[in-house]
Amino acid sequence: DSGVTQTPKHLITATGQRVTLRCSPRSGDLSVYWYQQSLDQGLQFLIQYYNGEERAKGNILERFSAQQFPDLHSELNLSSLELGDSALYFCASSSTGWASTDTQYFGPGTRLTVL
Amino acid sequence: ILNVEQSPQSLHVQEGDSTNFTCSFPSSNFYALHWYRWETAKSPEALFVMTLNGDEKKKGRISATLNTKEGYSYLYIKGSQPEDSATYLCASLSSGGSYIPTFGRGTSLIVHP
Repeated sequence: DSGVTQTPKHLITATGQRVTLRCSPRSGDLSVYWYQQSLDQGLQFLIQYYNGEERAKGNILERFSAQQFPDLHSELNLSSLELGDSALYFCASSSTGWASTDTQYFGPGTRLTVL
Repeated sequence: ILNVEQSPQSLHVQEGDSTNFTCSFPSSNFYALHWYRWETAKSPEALFVMTLNGDEKKKGRISATLNTKEGYSYLYIKGSQPEDSATYLCASLSSGGSYIPTFGRGTSLIVHP
């Protein structure tokens, strides 16, 4: 158990809908990262937040947005969902803002299925 | 755009065998390399963070080396055990890539008892 929690574990929804994925980092960690793992692509970095501020942005679609709240939990919002958004979404956390050298601890993931 | 390549794609070994696999990454503007172990139905678990050319890291029977000049890292497992069966991922970060991790597709290791 990494100490990172993600809810829900599974989510099934329809195209065009909007969902929110939630992540609570390890106690004391200030950074939260979001990743997408789909069948046809490897693990893709989406976005990083550090202490409430966006720190780095990867290949995140405009239909997706994230935020980190004062209690450091984070939410990833996915809207106008398409079939291709079906994937495993991971959250990870680390103690500082340096993605390059920090050890990241991954949560169990949220499996999103868009029908 | 960074291309991180891992080889082989999959590997089957017998219990007790030692094995190694490779992560290749662009060497220009290199900053750091991360290795992860990812067991089926679980989440990736960090193994090593490596930054310096010539770095060697060890964790039990698993070790890794880094060559930043030629852009590769080796992961070694000594005396493989069935519980080592997992996918091993590497991720490279560079200043040219805004320090965003780019992952390889992983090497799937299966250790047969």
